[in-house]
Amino acid sequence: GAGVSQSPSNKVTEKGKDVELRCDPISGHTALYWYRQSLGQGLEFLIYFQGNSAPDKSGLPSDRFSAERTGGSVSTLTIQRTQQEDSAVYLCASSLGGYTGELFFGEGSRLTVL
Amino acid sequence: KQEVTQIPAALSVPEGENLVLNCSFTDSAIYNLQWFRQDPGKGLTSLLLIQSSQREQTSGRLNASLDKSSGRSTLYIAASQPGDSATYLCAVRSVYGQNFVFGPGTRLSVLP
Repeated sequence: GAGVSQSPSNKVTEKGKDVELRCDPISGHTALYWYRQSLGQGLEFLIYFQGNSAPDKSGLPSDRFSAERTGGSVSTLTIQRTQQEDSAVYLCASSLGGYTGELFFGEGSRLTVL
Repeated sequence: KQEVTQIPAALSVPEGENLVLNCSFTDSAIYNLQWFRQDPGKGLTSLLLIQSSQREQTSGRLNASLDKSSGRSTLYIAASQPGDSATYLCAVRSVYGQNFVFGPGTRLSVLP
């Protein structure tokens, strides 16, 4: 596609429910990142995928968070047993492989946990 | 651990002024530095990417410089316009990590 696409754009859920957030990166981009932006806070790194390499999960805040990337393209971020502190905007970004590529972001998925 | 700071946290200027936003990082071992803008409720839009071997990049009214040895970058905006009002973030990619580390941003308001 022309840009990074994320869905849903908004999600309201009840505490304890599971949610899935989807990211479709720019075609041909092998690197994919998930970040979280809480209200009034900076961007917090969550997870990074590069091609077929093992993902860098060092930013995931708890074992309730997981992500996968199928076929080297679309990625899904799953949050199990959501808590109110999980409320945030979840941003996905992609870039060409390697260490010098420009990072492009999607519009984000706003998650509200009631 | 790489840390990125941005000064000032907020800035308000009248239309037409030239302005400078600052970004500092603690570890000079980086691959590149990227500047973004973020409008309220939106994602981040890439403005300029500077590789570690470069000193500056220009795009229209924007000019970004990089002094890797001192851990500093500046974003210069010429002849500011109300449409430039947004939050500006810088991010660095350290050679020791896979992810980009972001600064907290500078919230810019350009008054008509």
